[in-house]
Amino acid sequence: GAGVSQSPSNKVTEKGKDVELRCDPISGHTALYWYRQSLGQGLEFLIYFQGNSAPDKSGLPSDRFSAERTGGSVSTLTIQRTQQEDSAVYLCASSSGPARPQHFGDGTRLSIL
Amino acid sequence: GIQVEQSPPDLILQEGANSTLRCNFSDSVNNLQWFHQNPWGQLINLFYIPSGTKQNGRLSATTVATERYSLLYISSSQTTDSGVYFCAGDNTDKLIFGTGTRLQVFP
Repeated sequence: GAGVSQSPSNKVTEKGKDVELRCDPISGHTALYWYRQSLGQGLEFLIYFQGNSAPDKSGLPSDRFSAERTGGSVSTLTIQRTQQEDSAVYLCASSSGPARPQHFGDGTRLSIL
Repeated sequence: GIQVEQSPPDLILQEGANSTLRCNFSDSVNNLQWFHQNPWGQLINLFYIPSGTKQNGRLSATTVATERYSLLYISSSQTTDSGVYFCAGDNTDKLIFGTGTRLQVFP
């Protein structure tokens, strides 16, 4: 596609539920990143996929968070047993390779009640 | 990890004015980028600039890698320039973001 596509754009769920967020990167981009933006923490890195290499999971805040990237394209970020502090905008970015410009989607605004 | 400091935190300008935003890094980075987050929350990549100078219209950026800082220049500002400007970088492939400069341009 022309840009990075994320869905849903908004998600409201109850505390304790699991959620899945989807990211469709720019076609041909080998690198895919997840970040989140919250009022208290600013923009923070979560996880990075590059080609077939093992992902860099160093930014995941707890073992409730996981992500996968199927077929080197679409990625899903899963949050299990959601907590109120998980409320944030989750942003996905892709780039044509390591150390290249990153292009962001419009994000998923997640609200945990 | 790397620390990213941006200044000033807030900037208010009248349309037509020029401004300089600064970004300091605590260590060397190899993938420094500038972004504009518009009032609708969209993050737009302005520059990929690990070193040197680049220009794009009214915007230009300079990175002095040896001194671990970067500058973003906005000339003849317009109301559409309003939003938050972030710099980000790291010595790995991910990005560590600064806390941003919030710019408001009034007509």
